[in-house]
Amino acid sequence: KAGVTQTPRYLIKTRGQQVTLSCSPISGHRSVSWYQQTPGQGLQFLFEYFSETQRNKGNFPGRFSGRQFSNSRSEMNVSTLELGDSALYLCASSLELAGGDEQFFGPGTRLTVL
Amino acid sequence: QQQVKQSPQSLIVQKGGISIINCAYENTAFDYFPWYQQFPGKGPALLIAIRPDVSEKKEGRFTISFNKSAKQFSLHIMDSQPGDSATYFCAASRTGGSYIPTFGRGTSLIVHP
Repeated sequence: KAGVTQTPRYLIKTRGQQVTLSCSPISGHRSVSWYQQTPGQGLQFLFEYFSETQRNKGNFPGRFSGRQFSNSRSEMNVSTLELGDSALYLCASSLELAGGDEQFFGPGTRLTVL
Repeated sequence: QQQVKQSPQSLIVQKGGISIINCAYENTAFDYFPWYQQFPGKGPALLIAIRPDVSEKKEGRFTISFNKSAKQFSLHIMDSQPGDSATYFCAASRTGGSYIPTFGRGTSLIVHP
């Protein structure tokens, strides 16, 4: 069974631009969660989508948004990029809601904002 | 507010030694406590998880000890190997979907040969 895939793996953008990251969950998984990982803050939850609906949202500004498609694939968008958005963005999928289920993480997208 | 506090931030042990990483949580509603292992360039991978109805869970060389009254849980790696060198994250969440998984800041483990 294929794991969670994320594209692109690396991305360099400049301040003010916007970016879209993509995540393909494990086949059959209905939940996709997004996390931001930085050395200073660790893993921080962005949001979770389950059956195309946003179920949970972390404490991030509205510049961070996402969506999930009917095939469970998910995209995350960051508008008006800031230097502080430089991070590893991880996607995780699970069969059921992430709260009490094993999450399978992808390798992440390394975003650098210049 | 950090709901899961993890310590130590870094840990160095000799091959064959015991590695111990501790986590403390605040929200008594949490009922799922996983540990993740992350190698450089990879995403975290579930190592072992526990629910509060048991005080200990063992899988191979990895053991979680859980103290509900103290709101603490720890990961013990017995007979630590150089291949265990990675970053370890504890997490806490609640089954049911209304709680988001909250992670500790991570512990960088180095096992010397």
